[in-house]
Amino acid sequence: DVKVTQSSRYLVKRTGEKVFLECVQDMDHENMFWYRQDPGLGLRLIYFSYDVKMKEKGDIPEGYSVSREKKERFSLILESASTNQTSMYLCASSLSGRRGTSNTGELFFGEGSRLTVL
Amino acid sequence: AQRVTQPEKLLSVFKGAPVELKCNYSYSGSPELFWYVQYSRQRLQLLLRHISRESIKGFTADLNKGETSFHLKKPFAQEEDSAMYYCALKADSGGSNYKLTFGKGTLLTVNP
Repeated sequence: DVKVTQSSRYLVKRTGEKVFLECVQDMDHENMFWYRQDPGLGLRLIYFSYDVKMKEKGDIPEGYSVSREKKERFSLILESASTNQTSMYLCASSLSGRRGTSNTGELFFGEGSRLTVL
Repeated sequence: AQRVTQPEKLLSVFKGAPVELKCNYSYSGSPELFWYVQYSRQRLQLLLRHISRESIKGFTADLNKGETSFHLKKPFAQEEDSAMYYCALKADSGGSNYKLTFGKGTLLTVNP
């Protein structure tokens, strides 16, 4: 079974603080993603990564950055947290088609990190 | 740019009634579509994908390219089907890379 683990389930931070959200997957997946989930807005892609040290902006990258130093770990960073970043953050991973296997497109999600910025 | 539209935020049906969750998409390439489900207090997970043409938990979905739709259907809803459902579109990002674009979700409630 694929396991995607997000280190913090609940965080409370103050405006202006730097926030790190960590995500680790144990299935040697190439692709990793960070989404935020908000009621009425669904899932919106923040950043994604296809390989170590590679990153690409998603639909709402402003105010966020990411780090992928190791294949299994993908970190989301809020340099200076703001109240409008209060949300549920979901990490996901998937296989790449580069392996020559069937590219199923299936994403495996973590349980989520609920961040509250005061 | 790709887009996924789920017109209903909320859908409420009675147990045993048919249910249809609507999904429309916009994409210039060849679409691959998925339905994901999130039960209460559980992580988001894949329900079904159109290329598999499978039925999962009694749910089916057919890709209609003419109407650009991928509606999720079940003939007899069960209380355990109550969940948040997201339609998702796989868009190529170059080479073998891809990303998924999700709709805003439909919260299905099946009443006893």
